[in-house]
Amino acid sequence: GAVVSQHPSRVICKSGTSVKIECRSLDFQATTMFWYRQFPKQSLMLMATSNEGSKATYEQGVEKDKFLINHASLTLSTLTVTSAHPEDSSFYICSAPSISSAYSYNEQFFGPGTRLTVL
Amino acid sequence: GQNIDQPTEMTATEGAIVQINCTYQTSGFNGLFWYQQHAGEAPTFLSYNVLDGLEEKGRFSSFLSRSKGYSYLLLKELQMKDSASYLCAVHNTDKLIFGTGTRLQVFP
Repeated sequence: GAVVSQHPSRVICKSGTSVKIECRSLDFQATTMFWYRQFPKQSLMLMATSNEGSKATYEQGVEKDKFLINHASLTLSTLTVTSAHPEDSSFYICSAPSISSAYSYNEQFFGPGTRLTVL
Repeated sequence: GQNIDQPTEMTATEGAIVQINCTYQTSGFNGLFWYQQHAGEAPTFLSYNVLDGLEEKGRFSSFLSRSKGYSYLLLKELQMKDSASYLCAVHNTDKLIFGTGTRLQVFP
């Protein structure tokens, strides 16, 4: 199957700093990528849809000025958490859809996730 | 709004069968996925249903009833390694909307 990578896998930062998380599709092109956030013992919450060459689409309640998304190429999307605070500590996961020849649907391939801890 | 509900936690014994239910009310529906997620890891794909009925893949089966807004994941011959969270997700246009997730613990 298709491979999606994320970097870094783990980051610890001080309150007030900004953190950039990269999501790459390694062996396929993705015009769309998705960013999710997952708090402990909870499910994945879709934050935004990243669109190559255009603005991201944010879900209701997600601050677009706090979570900056850039999708500059067909294989890379970045999420920047600006002025991070302890409540932003979470597991951030990206995904990219790719046509599955077996099922003929856009199967989502997930990155390994980034654990963000804000002190 | 979008509601996708699952039981929060379930326990079962090694070798047994367990059924994890998922009910959904969403604005659109293009299919339903089941994922397995171990703590601190990304979800991994288990199954996909778009038509009513049962899809079987080895020890895992998934059922869908679109008229009832209902799906279940059936795990047979449970193994200790099946202890994980199980997430159902509705494919709505291009998005995946995840359910609340079910933490399954398998005991020896």
